[in-house]
Amino acid sequence: EPEVTQTPSHQVTQMGQEVILRCVPISNHLYFYWYRQILGQKVEFLVSFYNNEISEKSEIFDDQFSVERPDGSNFTLKIRSTKLEDSAMYFCASRGGAFPGELFFGEGSRLTVL
Amino acid sequence: AQSVTQLDSHVSVSEGTPVLLRCNYSSSYSPSLFWYVQHPNKGLQLLLKYTSAATLVKGINGFEAEFKKSETSFHLTKPSAHMSDAAEYFCVVSDMSSGNTGKLIFGQGTTLQVKP
Repeated sequence: EPEVTQTPSHQVTQMGQEVILRCVPISNHLYFYWYRQILGQKVEFLVSFYNNEISEKSEIFDDQFSVERPDGSNFTLKIRSTKLEDSAMYFCASRGGAFPGELFFGEGSRLTVL
Repeated sequence: AQSVTQLDSHVSVSEGTPVLLRCNYSSSYSPSLFWYVQHPNKGLQLLLKYTSAATLVKGINGFEAEFKKSETSFHLTKPSAHMSDAAEYFCVVSDMSSGNTGKLIFGQGTTLQVKP
């Protein structure tokens, strides 16, 4: 069964460092998303991406964040200068063309900022 | 705007007894609703979805949910809990106000504990 894969599963970084989280969405999907879940809190939408551009972003997704689909298979989330409050589980998701449709989520990347 | 409210942050049941996880929704549109499950250290897995077809939706692992428009509810049930059902459950609505981005809005989550 096709699945969304994310790497790394866990990353520890120092405050102020840049972090790149990687995702490989399901191959024929067209819509891509990043969500995050701070420990003990709800899953929050960060950004959606379609046709090689951001289609929507939340207030959380400020200038420190960026997304890219560099090669037609990977979908990356970059945090330029991490803060303590960026510590969270980050989930990548993808969706086929049907609307509305379920999102298929990866297993997440846990980011710990020290 | 769409939103979902999960009425219980924590539910505890005994193995073999019924499970009820409650969810109310708010939507200006005809909503699309989902239940996702998150097992410890795992990703988010779709249990079931409602997209304006049958109001009683059957999902994986014996779970089902009933869409009740009059009560704006979409409660998740299972006749008999299994130890492997212990997890975090999220009621989710598709945000129809944001064009075709298809983003999902999550509830706060309900932790299901299953006691032997």
